[in-house]
Amino acid sequence: DARVTQTPRDKVTEMGQEVTMRCQPILGHNTVFWYRQTMMQGLELLAYFRNRAPLDDSGMPKDRFSAEMPDATLATLKIQPSEPRDSAVYFCASGPREGDGELFFGEGSRLTVL
Amino acid sequence: QQPVQSPQAVILREGEDAVINCSSSKALYSVHWYRQKHGEAPVFLMILLKGGEQKGHDKISASFNEKKQQSSLYLTASQLSYSGTYFCGARGGSNYKLTFGKGTLLTVNP
Repeated sequence: DARVTQTPRDKVTEMGQEVTMRCQPILGHNTVFWYRQTMMQGLELLAYFRNRAPLDDSGMPKDRFSAEMPDATLATLKIQPSEPRDSAVYFCASGPREGDGELFFGEGSRLTVL
Repeated sequence: QQPVQSPQAVILREGEDAVINCSSSKALYSVHWYRQKHGEAPVFLMILLKGGEQKGHDKISASFNEKKQQSSLYLTASQLSYSGTYFCGARGGSNYKLTFGKGTLLTVNP
């Protein structure tokens, strides 16, 4: 049963600490998205990749967030240093190789920054 | 830029109908609809491509008016299982960028 896998599922950290979230997209999918979900803003697009190349990361605070795809099976989202306002659920989603198709979302990583 | 959804929330009794609207200030290439249950990940419902098509399965359908840059999701004879937050996703071009609205919370009561 193909699914997007995210780790960690829950993370509590202190302000100023580095946080790394990982995502394993569905095998064969070559489009990967990172979204942040809060009550106020809904699902915000942070960054997305196609064929491992970053296409748009305009939704990310550049000074503290970074997103990479070191290989086709791993996408990472890093926050350094973390701040309380970064507390949210971060979703990774992957999409099909060709065309405009369904996105499959991971279970999300719930981040709490104290 | 996020598409705008309305209403923000709606409460129904089982069996009633609802319409959720989504509009964009930019030209749309396609519109996605997803449903998210509390504490879970969003789940795909359907995609509508430009061309003014209408899609549906079971009692959930949607329309897409490319000229007005609008889409609507229709839920008829609602069931308790329809409860959740509905998101429309807008794709403005062939670059695969998909941005979501803030969501519409749908509650179906017995």
